[in-house]
Amino acid sequence: EADIYQTPRYLVIGTGKKITLECSQTMGHDKMYWYQQDPGMELHLIHYSYGVNSTEKGDLSSESTVSRIRTEHFPLTLESARPSHTSQYLCASSTYSSNQPQHFGDGTRLSIL
Amino acid sequence: AQSVTQLGSHVSVSEGALVLLRCNYSSSVPPYLFWYVQYPNQGLQLLLKYTTGATLVKGINGFEAEFKKSETSFHLTKPSAHMSDAAEYFCAVSRTGYQKVTFGTGTKLQVIP
Repeated sequence: EADIYQTPRYLVIGTGKKITLECSQTMGHDKMYWYQQDPGMELHLIHYSYGVNSTEKGDLSSESTVSRIRTEHFPLTLESARPSHTSQYLCASSTYSSNQPQHFGDGTRLSIL
Repeated sequence: AQSVTQLGSHVSVSEGALVLLRCNYSSSVPPYLFWYVQYPNQGLQLLLKYTTGATLVKGINGFEAEFKKSETSFHLTKPSAHMSDAAEYFCAVSRTGYQKVTFGTGTKLQVIP
Protein backbone atom coordinates (compact mmCIF):
# COMPACT_ATOMS: atom_id res chain seq x y z
CA GLU A 1 0.00 0.00 0.00
CA ALA A 2 1.47 3.30 -1.13
CA ASP A 3 2.51 5.83 1.48
CA ILE A 4 3.49 8.31 -1.17
CA TYR A 5 0.88 9.64 -3.49
CA GLN A 6 1.14 11.30 -6.85
CA THR A 7 -1.64 13.05 -8.70
CA PRO A 8 -2.67 13.03 -11.41
CA ARG A 9 -1.60 9.58 -12.64
CA TYR A 10 -2.07 10.59 -16.25
CA LEU A 11 -2.27 14.04 -17.83
CA VAL A 12 -2.67 15.02 -21.45
CA ILE A 13 -2.55 18.74 -21.99
CA GLY A 14 -1.77 21.32 -24.63
CA THR A 15 1.41 23.29 -25.18
CA GLY A 16 1.83 26.46 -23.13
CA LYS A 17 -0.27 25.39 -20.18
CA LYS A 18 0.94 25.68 -16.60
CA ILE A 19 1.09 22.30 -14.88
CA THR A 20 1.56 21.26 -11.27
CA LEU A 21 2.28 17.65 -10.41
CA GLU A 22 1.42 16.82 -6.84
CA CYS A 23 3.38 14.55 -4.50
CA SER A 24 2.55 13.85 -0.87
CA GLN A 25 3.97 11.41 1.64
CA THR A 26 2.63 10.34 5.02
CA MET A 27 5.85 8.87 6.45
CA GLY A 28 7.36 12.08 7.82
CA HIS A 29 10.41 11.67 5.60
CA ASP A 30 12.87 14.55 5.43
CA LYS A 31 14.15 13.91 1.93
CA MET A 32 12.07 14.01 -1.21
CA TYR A 33 13.01 13.61 -4.87
CA TRP A 34 11.67 14.07 -8.38
CA TYR A 35 12.88 11.80 -11.18
CA GLN A 36 12.14 11.93 -14.87
CA GLN A 37 11.89 8.59 -16.64
CA ASP A 38 11.11 7.93 -20.28
CA PRO A 39 9.29 4.59 -20.80
CA GLY A 40 11.61 1.66 -20.17
CA MET A 41 14.55 3.92 -19.54
CA GLU A 42 16.74 4.96 -16.64
CA LEU A 43 15.80 7.45 -13.95
CA HIS A 44 17.15 10.98 -14.06
CA LEU A 45 17.14 13.04 -10.85
CA ILE A 46 15.75 16.52 -11.59
CA HIS A 47 15.07 17.95 -8.10
CA TYR A 48 15.52 17.01 -4.46
CA SER A 49 14.90 18.43 -1.03
CA TYR A 50 16.45 17.83 2.39
CA GLY A 51 13.51 19.32 4.27
CA VAL A 52 11.20 22.29 4.52
CA ASN A 53 12.43 25.32 2.53
CA SER A 54 15.26 23.26 1.04
CA THR A 55 15.34 22.52 -2.70
CA GLU A 56 18.21 21.55 -4.97
CA LYS A 57 18.57 20.87 -8.67
CA GLY A 58 19.40 17.33 -9.67
CA ASP A 59 21.71 15.83 -12.23
CA LEU A 60 19.46 16.44 -15.23
CA SER A 61 18.67 20.01 -16.15
CA SER A 62 14.94 20.66 -16.06
CA GLU A 63 12.76 23.67 -16.78
CA SER A 64 10.50 22.65 -13.92
CA THR A 65 10.53 24.16 -10.42
CA VAL A 66 9.70 22.71 -7.03
CA SER A 67 8.77 23.95 -3.59
CA ARG A 68 8.81 22.44 -0.11
CA ILE A 69 6.80 24.49 2.36
CA ARG A 70 5.46 21.44 4.21
CA THR A 71 7.34 18.26 5.07
CA GLU A 72 4.76 16.04 3.43
CA HIS A 73 4.27 17.96 0.20
CA PHE A 74 6.69 18.42 -2.74
CA PRO A 75 4.91 19.71 -5.86
CA LEU A 76 6.60 20.13 -9.23
CA THR A 77 5.55 22.94 -11.57
CA LEU A 78 6.03 23.55 -15.27
CA GLU A 79 5.17 27.17 -16.08
CA SER A 80 4.70 26.58 -19.80
CA ALA A 81 4.50 22.99 -20.95
CA ARG A 82 6.19 21.89 -24.17
CA PRO A 83 6.16 18.57 -26.08
CA SER A 84 9.73 17.96 -24.88
CA HIS A 85 8.33 17.70 -21.34
CA THR A 86 6.43 14.55 -22.27
CA SER A 87 7.68 11.86 -19.91
CA GLN A 88 6.94 9.99 -16.71
CA TYR A 89 7.66 11.82 -13.48
CA LEU A 90 8.35 9.81 -10.32
CA CYS A 91 8.34 11.22 -6.82
CA ALA A 92 10.20 9.52 -3.97
CA SER A 93 10.97 10.10 -0.31
CA SER A 94 13.37 8.72 2.27
CA THR A 95 14.63 9.28 5.77
CA TYR A 96 17.76 11.37 6.18
CA SER A 97 19.96 8.25 6.54
CA SER A 98 21.81 7.24 3.38
CA ASN A 99 21.41 3.54 4.22
CA GLN A 100 17.64 3.67 3.95
CA PRO A 101 15.77 3.05 0.69
CA GLN A 102 13.66 5.50 -1.20
CA HIS A 103 9.90 5.01 -1.34
CA PHE A 104 8.35 5.77 -4.70
CA GLY A 105 4.97 6.93 -5.82
CA ASP A 106 3.31 5.37 -8.86
CA GLY A 107 4.26 8.27 -11.08
CA THR A 108 2.56 10.79 -13.33
CA ARG A 109 2.62 10.09 -17.05
CA LEU A 110 2.59 13.47 -18.77
CA SER A 111 1.84 14.02 -22.44
CA ILE A 112 2.11 17.47 -23.95
CA LEU A 113 0.38 17.90 -27.29
CA ALA B 1 32.23 9.48 -6.52
CA GLN B 2 29.91 6.56 -7.03
CA SER B 3 28.48 4.76 -10.01
CA VAL B 4 26.65 1.58 -10.86
CA THR B 5 26.69 -0.54 -14.01
CA GLN B 6 24.04 -3.07 -14.93
CA LEU B 7 25.19 -5.54 -17.57
CA GLY B 8 22.46 -6.38 -20.03
CA SER B 9 19.55 -4.07 -20.67
CA HIS B 10 17.37 -7.07 -21.54
CA VAL B 11 17.50 -10.57 -20.06
CA SER B 12 15.25 -13.45 -21.11
CA VAL B 13 14.80 -16.62 -19.09
CA SER B 14 12.43 -19.55 -19.28
CA GLU B 15 9.85 -20.01 -16.57
CA GLY B 16 11.46 -22.11 -13.82
CA ALA B 17 15.01 -21.21 -14.83
CA LEU B 18 17.57 -19.34 -12.76
CA VAL B 19 17.41 -15.56 -12.85
CA LEU B 20 20.73 -13.70 -12.70
CA LEU B 21 20.82 -9.91 -13.07
CA ARG B 22 24.25 -8.33 -12.85
CA CYS B 23 25.25 -5.17 -11.02
CA ASN B 24 28.71 -3.74 -10.48
CA TYR B 25 29.37 -0.60 -8.49
CA SER B 26 32.14 1.80 -7.75
CA SER B 27 32.38 3.76 -4.55
CA SER B 28 35.25 5.43 -2.74
CA VAL B 29 33.83 4.35 0.63
CA PRO B 30 31.78 1.34 1.77
CA PRO B 31 28.58 1.40 -0.24
CA TYR B 32 24.95 0.88 0.53
CA LEU B 33 23.38 -1.20 -2.24
CA PHE B 34 19.78 -1.64 -3.28
CA TRP B 35 17.75 -3.55 -5.83
CA TYR B 36 14.39 -2.19 -6.92
CA VAL B 37 11.73 -3.64 -9.21
CA GLN B 38 9.40 -1.63 -11.43
CA TYR B 39 6.25 -3.07 -12.95
CA PRO B 40 4.57 -1.29 -15.89
CA ASN B 41 2.94 2.00 -14.98
CA GLN B 42 4.16 1.84 -11.41
CA GLY B 43 6.91 3.33 -9.32
CA LEU B 44 9.92 1.43 -8.00
CA GLN B 45 9.57 -1.02 -5.13
CA LEU B 46 12.43 -2.13 -2.92
CA LEU B 47 13.42 -5.78 -3.38
CA LEU B 48 16.34 -5.88 -0.97
CA LYS B 49 19.23 -3.86 0.40
CA TYR B 50 22.75 -4.32 1.73
CA THR B 51 24.13 -1.92 4.32
CA THR B 52 26.45 -3.83 6.65
CA GLY B 53 26.79 -7.32 8.07
CA ALA B 54 25.82 -10.49 6.24
CA THR B 55 26.83 -10.27 2.60
CA LEU B 56 24.03 -12.51 1.37
CA VAL B 57 20.77 -10.64 1.66
CA LYS B 58 17.32 -12.02 1.04
CA GLY B 59 14.49 -9.96 -0.29
CA ILE B 60 10.89 -10.24 -1.28
CA ASN B 61 9.47 -12.63 -3.88
CA GLY B 62 12.31 -15.15 -3.44
CA PHE B 63 15.09 -12.86 -4.66
CA GLU B 64 18.49 -12.61 -3.04
CA ALA B 65 21.76 -10.80 -3.71
CA GLU B 66 25.33 -11.21 -2.56
CA PHE B 67 27.67 -8.32 -1.84
CA LYS B 68 31.17 -9.19 -3.08
CA LYS B 69 33.59 -6.45 -2.16
CA SER B 70 36.51 -8.01 -4.04
CA GLU B 71 34.48 -8.06 -7.24
CA THR B 72 32.59 -4.80 -6.53
CA SER B 73 29.43 -6.69 -7.41
CA PHE B 74 25.90 -7.06 -6.10
CA HIS B 75 24.22 -9.50 -8.47
CA LEU B 76 20.53 -10.37 -8.04
CA THR B 77 19.42 -14.00 -8.27
CA LYS B 78 16.30 -16.10 -8.01
CA PRO B 79 16.44 -19.90 -8.30
CA SER B 80 13.26 -20.30 -10.33
CA ALA B 81 11.68 -17.61 -12.49
CA HIS B 82 7.95 -17.03 -12.42
CA MET B 83 5.90 -15.25 -15.02
CA SER B 84 5.10 -12.56 -12.48
CA ASP B 85 8.82 -11.68 -12.25
CA ALA B 86 8.69 -10.01 -15.66
CA ALA B 87 9.52 -6.38 -14.89
CA GLU B 88 12.38 -3.89 -14.95
CA TYR B 89 15.03 -4.14 -12.25
CA PHE B 90 17.24 -1.32 -11.04
CA CYS B 91 20.41 -1.55 -8.99
CA ALA B 92 21.31 1.51 -6.90
CA VAL B 93 24.21 2.68 -4.74
CA SER B 94 24.50 5.20 -1.96
CA ARG B 95 26.99 5.90 0.80
CA THR B 96 27.31 7.65 4.14
CA GLY B 97 27.26 11.41 3.89
CA TYR B 98 26.09 11.48 0.30
CA GLN B 99 22.56 12.68 -0.15
CA LYS B 100 21.81 11.25 -3.58
CA VAL B 101 21.31 7.70 -4.75
CA THR B 102 22.82 6.62 -8.07
CA PHE B 103 20.64 4.27 -10.10
CA GLY B 104 21.74 1.91 -12.83
CA THR B 105 20.21 2.00 -16.28
CA GLY B 106 17.93 -0.93 -15.52
CA THR B 107 17.52 -4.48 -16.80
CA LYS B 108 14.26 -5.60 -18.32
CA LEU B 109 13.52 -9.21 -17.43
CA GLN B 110 11.40 -11.26 -19.79
CA VAL B 111 10.09 -14.65 -18.63
CA ILE B 112 9.23 -17.08 -21.39
CA PRO B 113 6.52 -19.66 -20.72
